[in-house]
Amino acid sequence: AQSVTQLDSHVSVSEGTPVLLRCNYSSSYSPSLFWYVQHPNKGLQLLLKYTSAATLVKGINGFEAEFKKSETSFHLTKPSAHMSDAAEYFCVVRDYGQNFVFGPGTRLSVLP
Amino acid sequence: DAGITQSPRHKVTETGTPVTLRCHQTENHRYMYWYRQDPGHGLRLIHYSYGVKDTDKGEVSDGYSVSRSKTEDFLLTLESATSSQTSVYFCAISERDRGRYEQYFGPGTRLTVT
Repeated sequence: AQSVTQLDSHVSVSEGTPVLLRCNYSSSYSPSLFWYVQHPNKGLQLLLKYTSAATLVKGINGFEAEFKKSETSFHLTKPSAHMSDAAEYFCVVRDYGQNFVFGPGTRLSVLP
Repeated sequence: DAGITQSPRHKVTETGTPVTLRCHQTENHRYMYWYRQDPGHGLRLIHYSYGVKDTDKGEVSDGYSVSRSKTEDFLLTLESATSSQTSVYFCAISERDRGRYEQYFGPGTRLTVT
């Protein structure tokens, strides 16, 4: 069965500093992986996806993630945080049957 | 934005009453999902559909039923609402062709059971 671990429930960074949100997964198949962002009282928006093409994936708003099969990781990064990045971030793995398993989420705070 | 709407957007109801939430899509996607979101739990799958009249249970399906009579509509019913079903409910859609696998989400329905 698929599972997702987000290693930090809360990350706090200063504006202009790098962001790292960690995600590890387990999967019996070659997985598809996603990062979603949820701003307060909003729905979920797709940031980026990995579907067995390039291992370094670029998304919207300057975010990137690197798929590392040997480490079963899919960490999300951004070189310079902006105040508007403050939100909840979810790592998601898709299984063979088009079902999706969500991590518990990481809340990102950006300090001025 | 993907064409997904949810209705109602907010609802307050009393314990023991039936409640139906509606998800409507204009994307003609095959797969539709209902999730609930609660603090500390992320999103948990209630039920999903892989075609008209084809549905299956998710990890938290007790107390919920679903129906899909048309491609565009997926209904979630709480037969007899309980306070533990107070939550934010999200509908999602997805497709599975030409490299497209990702889900798109509706705006959510905030349900309060008093």
